[in-house]
Amino acid sequence: DVKVTQSLRYLVKRTGEKVFLECVQDMDHENMFWYRQDPGLGLRLIYFSYDVKMKEKGDIPEGYSVSREKKERFSLILESASTNQTSMYLCASSPTGMENEKLFFGSGTQLSVL
Amino acid sequence: QQQVKQSPQSLIVQKGGISIINCAYENTAFDYFPWYQQFPGKGPALLIAIRPDVSEKKEGRFTISFNKSAKQFSLHIMDSQPGDSATYFCAATTGANNLFFGTGTRLTVIP
Repeated sequence: DVKVTQSLRYLVKRTGEKVFLECVQDMDHENMFWYRQDPGLGLRLIYFSYDVKMKEKGDIPEGYSVSREKKERFSLILESASTNQTSMYLCASSPTGMENEKLFFGSGTQLSVL
Repeated sequence: QQQVKQSPQSLIVQKGGISIINCAYENTAFDYFPWYQQFPGKGPALLIAIRPDVSEKKEGRFTISFNKSAKQFSLHIMDSQPGDSATYFCAATTGANNLFFGTGTRLTVIP
């Protein structure tokens, strides 16, 4: 089974602090994604990466950056957290080719910014 | 602007009943329509998906009905069970990099 691991289930930070969320996948997928999930808004794409060191902005990239130094690892960075970034953050991966539309999600990190 | 509109926001169904969740889209370039199921504390997981060249796809108790002319698709859960209680998201895409999700439907199946 594909496994996408987000090691932090809950995280509490203060306004202005730097936040680093890490995601690791074990299926050698080329594509990786960061979404945020908010009640009533569904899932919104923050950034995605289709290769090592490559990244593309999603629908809501403001206030976020990403890093992909290794194929299996995709990190989301909040340089200066704000209260409106309190949310559930979901990482996902998918292969290239015919199956590229099938996303595999991690269990998420619930971030609270106080 | 929401690319995929989903309704209802919440749904309560008796055990054994049929659960129906509806989605609508505007972009005729969408060519893949998946449904994801999310249990509390877990990430969404792909449940079933359809492409617009067919009007219906069935996998066990789960069926997607697709109406290309109306730009609508729906998920039907037959013989709903308490274990089906979860949040369901419809989505649409022209490729993996632009998967647009609906706002989700929280389904509760009561015994």
